[in-house]
Amino acid sequence: AQSVTQLGSHVSVSEGALVLLRCNYSSSVPPYLFWYVQYPNQGLQLLLKYTSAATLVKGINGFEAEFKKSETSFHLTKPSAHMSDAAEYFCAVRGGLSGNTPLVFGKGTRLSVIA
Amino acid sequence: GAVVSQHPSWVICKSGTSVKIECRSLDFQATTMFWYRQFPKQSLMLMATSNEGSKATYEQGVEKDKFLINHASLTLSTLTVTSAHPEDSSFYICSAPRAGGHYEQYFGPGTRLTVT
Repeated sequence: AQSVTQLGSHVSVSEGALVLLRCNYSSSVPPYLFWYVQYPNQGLQLLLKYTSAATLVKGINGFEAEFKKSETSFHLTKPSAHMSDAAEYFCAVRGGLSGNTPLVFGKGTRLSVIA
Repeated sequence: GAVVSQHPSWVICKSGTSVKIECRSLDFQATTMFWYRQFPKQSLMLMATSNEGSKATYEQGVEKDKFLINHASLTLSTLTVTSAHPEDSSFYICSAPRAGGHYEQYFGPGTRLTVT
């Protein structure tokens, strides 16, 4: 079965500092991986996705993630944090080979940005 | 991009009553939709898979008689919480994969259910 593990339930960074949110995956099939952001009382917004093309994936709002098969990782980074980045971030893996399978989510990482 | 809507966005109901939540794919057809539940400060957990024209499949531990799912058309799935109790209070989110390409999934904005 597919699963993701997000290391760190809460990450705090200073404004302008590097953001690094960690995600490791386990998948019995070639993984399709996603990062979503959720602001309070709102739905999910897709930041970026890995679909077996380029290993370095660029997303919205300056975020990017690198797929490393050898480390089974898909960490999310942003060079310079902004106050508006404070939110909950979820890493997810598609639950199977078929496109019609649900996503399996990590427990989430809450990002705080300190002025 | 593709859009999935949910209605209502929030609802308050009394214990023992039923509540219906709609999930619509606005610009594409979805033979499959997924229903997730998110408790406060927790992750999304899959409740069930809604299949157009057939019965929904439920995840282990989810009561199918309590959470009724009807996928009446290729653009509409409904989740009815029957005889709601306070412990059913949660954020319910639907998603729909769109065929083509990598079957990207599109999420609805969620429905906040509060049972008093």
